[in-house]
Amino acid sequence: DQQVKQNSPSLSVQEGRISILNCDYTNSMFDYFLWYKKYPAEGPTFLISISSIKDKNEDGRFTVFLNKSAKHLSLHIVPSQPGDSAVYFCAASYTNAGKSTFGDGTTLTVKP
Amino acid sequence: EAQVTQNPRYLITVTGKKLTVTCSQNMNHEYMSWYRQDPGLGLRQIYYSMNVEVTDKGDVPEGYKVSRKEKRNFPLILESPSPNQTSLYFCASSFLGDRSNYGYTFGSGTRLTVV
Repeated sequence: DQQVKQNSPSLSVQEGRISILNCDYTNSMFDYFLWYKKYPAEGPTFLISISSIKDKNEDGRFTVFLNKSAKHLSLHIVPSQPGDSAVYFCAASYTNAGKSTFGDGTTLTVKP
Repeated sequence: EAQVTQNPRYLITVTGKKLTVTCSQNMNHEYMSWYRQDPGLGLRQIYYSMNVEVTDKGDVPEGYKVSRKEKRNFPLILESPSPNQTSLYFCASSFLGDRSNYGYTFGSGTRLTVV
């Protein structure tokens, strides 16, 4: 049973437009959600997170939205830039706990 | 520079030959974890450690061992590697508690091939 799902393996957007990456989860006990970005031949790097007590968190061009009733979160990138082209993973975990679960990733391509 | 260092970056080995992948962090993080990534799949957690001498299984622990004798080091041990353990491995670390500002710090990865 895959507890965290990213249903779109890939997404292509034009430079300057909005990129929206989606993630669904099944375990309502998760209380902490994170997005990571990964370039080829590198480890993932932390991008932005959100606690279950919030429904939105912003950091510059990146905004994460959490809809707990739908068990859905999304990452918005505005405006998208070619350097944003990477694989994006969403992850879910529990505060102060060890287990974490990642989605399969979405490959974002931003075209100039 | 704050970082997680994995060694080696690349390793080709034969079935059954014991190997260790090292992981070291210089940020005084309590938490460390190992993941594997296979084509088309996300990162699957192998083992994690909440502190020295405290380790626990993730989602795919079979065939792996870990130890946490020092806070900075968290080696991954494959006692008898098999071809299905061919994968890209990542080590990660973080403080416990509120990770809202930084998440996990990952190493650069170790690409293991078992023939």
